[in-house]
Amino acid sequence: RKEVEQDPGPFNVPEGATVAFNCTYSNSASQSFFWYRQDCRKEPKLLMSVYSSGNEDGRFTAQLNRASQYISLLIRDSKLSDSATYLCVVNMNYGGSQGNLIFGKGTKLSVKP
Amino acid sequence: DAGITQSPRYKITETGRQVTLMCHQTWSHSYMFWYRQDLGHGLRLIYYSAAADITDKGEVPDGYVVSRSKTENFPLTLESATRSQTSVYFCASRASGTLSYNEQFFGPGTRLTVL
Repeated sequence: RKEVEQDPGPFNVPEGATVAFNCTYSNSASQSFFWYRQDCRKEPKLLMSVYSSGNEDGRFTAQLNRASQYISLLIRDSKLSDSATYLCVVNMNYGGSQGNLIFGKGTKLSVKP
Repeated sequence: DAGITQSPRYKITETGRQVTLMCHQTWSHSYMFWYRQDLGHGLRLIYYSAAADITDKGEVPDGYVVSRSKTENFPLTLESATRSQTSVYFCASRASGTLSYNEQFFGPGTRLTVL
């Protein structure tokens, strides 16, 4: 089983739509969770951290379910500029590798006019 | 305020040649990382460094060598390039501190083609 699994998409949605991405992780010892965004042919950039109680940043809402080892990202009122690949990222906080991150393969979002 | 830079941005080389990819960061971050990104695999960690003169293997270290004599630089060397090392290479850095503050900042990447 892959350590971090995501639906690869692509998700093709119209402007203004609400879209949700899901992610599962295999190691229950993981402690930190993130969503990164990667534009085509660019480097990944942190979109938001994911906290246990859930957190919101404008149109973006992240949720964490530790019992199910499940992370989600909800984007409301999609904009053309949201088109990108969204990477689910988990901290590998075990063994001798504290602080290292495990990246999912990403979910591609395409927002159409 | 350059942040984290990589050079070269594009490189074409031949099988068997030695290639060094450079990474430089201006934040004095303790941690630095090298990843490769391939279709179907996502980002995979090659090597990382917790501080100058401290390096450790990641998920896919074979065929690569790193060094870190200065905090700001973290070069990655392919000792004898193979076609399977054709990829996009990203360098990243982060500050030391509690695990909650794990944001890694990525360089713009180096696109390497091995013929």
